[in-house]
Amino acid sequence: DIQMTQSPSSLSASVGDRVTITCRASQSIGNYLNWYQQKSGRAPKLLIYAASNLQSGVPSRFSGSGSGTDFTLTISSLQGEDFATYYCQQSDGLPRTFGQGTKVEIK
Amino acid sequence: EAQLVESGGGLARPGGSLRLSCAASGFTFSDFAMSWVRQAPGKGPEWVSAISGSGGSTSYADSVKGRFTMSRDNSKNTLFLQLNSLRADDTAVYYCVKRSHSGTWDAFDIWGQGAVVTVSS
Repeated sequence: DIQMTQSPSSLSASVGDRVTITCRASQSIGNYLNWYQQKSGRAPKLLIYAASNLQSGVPSRFSGSGSGTDFTLTISSLQGEDFATYYCQQSDGLPRTFGQGTKVEIK
Repeated sequence: EAQLVESGGGLARPGGSLRLSCAASGFTFSDFAMSWVRQAPGKGPEWVSAISGSGGSTSYADSVKGRFTMSRDNSKNTLFLQLNSLRADDTAVYYCVKRSHSGTWDAFDIWGQGAVVTVSS
């Protein structure tokens, strides 16, 4: 199975801050990497697909980059509604696997 | 608007069974592969199973293989997950998920609200 490792596990930030979350795959997955946002008690929501493509309706302050084994999700200016847990997920092979999550909290 | 609505969750005893259903609307159901993804309390999501658009091909996580069966009824736009031989570690929220893909990308773009499954004596 492809293991996905996110860092950090949690972070505290203020509104307006630039936030970066990283995700590393245990083997090369090309650009088959997606990012999801999950708010408490809700289902995950697709933010970024294929490493860098913004899902329809997602604000442009979210961006993704990377390929191979190392990927990054960036929030350029954190807003109040962005406090949530973020997961990366690989779609290069079965089983599909997710990272353990990064919880973004209010400082 | 595409929508997925799960039903059938609840409390089951260890060794027991449950059947989850997922009603799809707002898209051509038979055109899309579907998956079930579960999330145990305080944990990240875990992919459980997948089925092709026609229903002719299925895949399962090792943790559920031989115990869970995924199926679909395209005439009723409904997805199913039969959960047998349930164990305490199957306790989770189970999400019905639509898969979208092309030659260069593959993602879970629509999620249901989730069905809670609790396995306890």
